[in-house]
Amino acid sequence: QVQLVESGGGVVQPGRSLRLSCAASGFIFGTYGMHWVRQAPGKGLEWVAVISKDGSNQWYADSVKGRFTVSRDNSKNTLFLQMNRLRPEDAAVYYCARDRLDTALEYWGQGVLVTVSS
Amino acid sequence: QSALTQPASVSGSPGQSITISCTGTSSDVGGYNYVSWYQQHPGKAPKLIIYAVSNRPSGVSNRFSGSKSGNTASLTISGLQAEDETDYYCSSYTSSSTWVFGGGTKLSVL
Repeated sequence: QVQLVESGGGVVQPGRSLRLSCAASGFIFGTYGMHWVRQAPGKGLEWVAVISKDGSNQWYADSVKGRFTVSRDNSKNTLFLQMNRLRPEDAAVYYCARDRLDTALEYWGQGVLVTVSS
Repeated sequence: QSALTQPASVSGSPGQSITISCTGTSSDVGGYNYVSWYQQHPGKAPKLIIYAVSNRPSGVSNRFSGSKSGNTASLTISGLQAEDETDYYCSSYTSSSTWVFGGGTKLSVL
């Protein structure tokens, strides 16, 4: 079955960097687009980024553009989110999700918590 | 990239039907048939319950249905059950090749 497992979260100071990973299994990773979505404590879902199945195209929410970079390694079935110049408002649970043929976010990981605090 | 507009809360009695609206613009909801709905229980990851406006993934109850008219999409839950009490989010693809979520709706089953 499809499994997505995020890792790399933790506590980081404002202005510093963090790299999240999402290990995928149970499907042919290189044939699906992948997303990152975040949820601040007690708040709603916020879409963050998407990367095409071959990694050649990426799109970002305005709130993270220029600071976050999404990438993937199809040989290792892994999705990444490099987060630079972190701000307190970036604190959230970050989910990776598999695309459903460009129509929806079909499968979700369990999420990883990022805390931005001095 | 403004969030789609959902009511903060809706409520209904067991067995009744409720509808949650999701209003966007012609650049998102109105422009594409890529509206999806997610159910999220506290502390859990979201679960896809409707994709491409009105389609249910395998395993999702047929009590959940979706529709769209113009810039507004709707999720209807019929035969309300206690287990339906949780948060629901809509989402849409946008003309910027990005995605946007609604603010979320808390469903109470009275």
